Amino acid sequence: DAKTTQPPSMDCAEGRAANLPCNHSTISGNEYVYWYRQIHSQGPQYIIHGLKNNETNEMASLIITEDRKSSTLILPHATLRDTAVYYCIVRVDADKLIFGTGTRLQVFP
Amino acid sequence: SAVISQKPSRDICQRGTSLTIQCQVDSQVTMMFWYRQQPGQSLTLIATANQGSEATYESGFVIDKFPISRPNLTFSTLTVSNMSPEDSSIYLCSVGRAANYGYTFGSGTRLTVV
Repeated sequence: DAKTTQPPSMDCAEGRAANLPCNHSTISGNEYVYWYRQIHSQGPQYIIHGLKNNETNEMASLIITEDRKSSTLILPHATLRDTAVYYCIVRVDADKLIFGTGTRLQVFP
Repeated sequence: SAVISQKPSRDICQRGTSLTIQCQVDSQVTMMFWYRQQPGQSLTLIATANQGSEATYESGFVIDKFPISRPNLTFSTLTVSNMSPEDSSIYLCSVGRAANYGYTFGSGTRLTVV
């Protein structure tokens, strides 16, 4: 079973920051948090992952709380092409990724 | 990251028949997985394709229904056997060295069973 909880949907204005929350209160000390997104009719795309420290790459930033029970994915300047379903995943074991229900992000003009 | 060629991209099949989906990768990869995505739903892991040995199936999935082959580090097939309309889904393969490096997903096979 998925170990994460996300809001089912969110809206964001184009050009603004999109902040997508994720709860993972049962995360273990050595489990990473991963974010993927799925644009309509395509396979999921890797965005970012982290363990304890905040992470940033060319796509997004990942903020993990000190107790690691929640995290936030930040898209600093959302565009219409960022409209997608965003999945927050905590790796279960053996390198498997178990997807939850995700957040459907709608970026509007 | 690896480039995946998944075939066919879509198919319409008669119930009771079988379809084999291919996943070809442009480089050797350690991990290969098969997922199912039912209409309007999230992805569900079917199995881990193990090179040279039997696949490891998740709860609710069995080898007789979803036989998987992985003869080498760049290729795998998933067969959907004795299909029924409930098998209508998108089937995706996913590959990578390890989860910490991020996995790449194929574009999927959209299967419709009539």
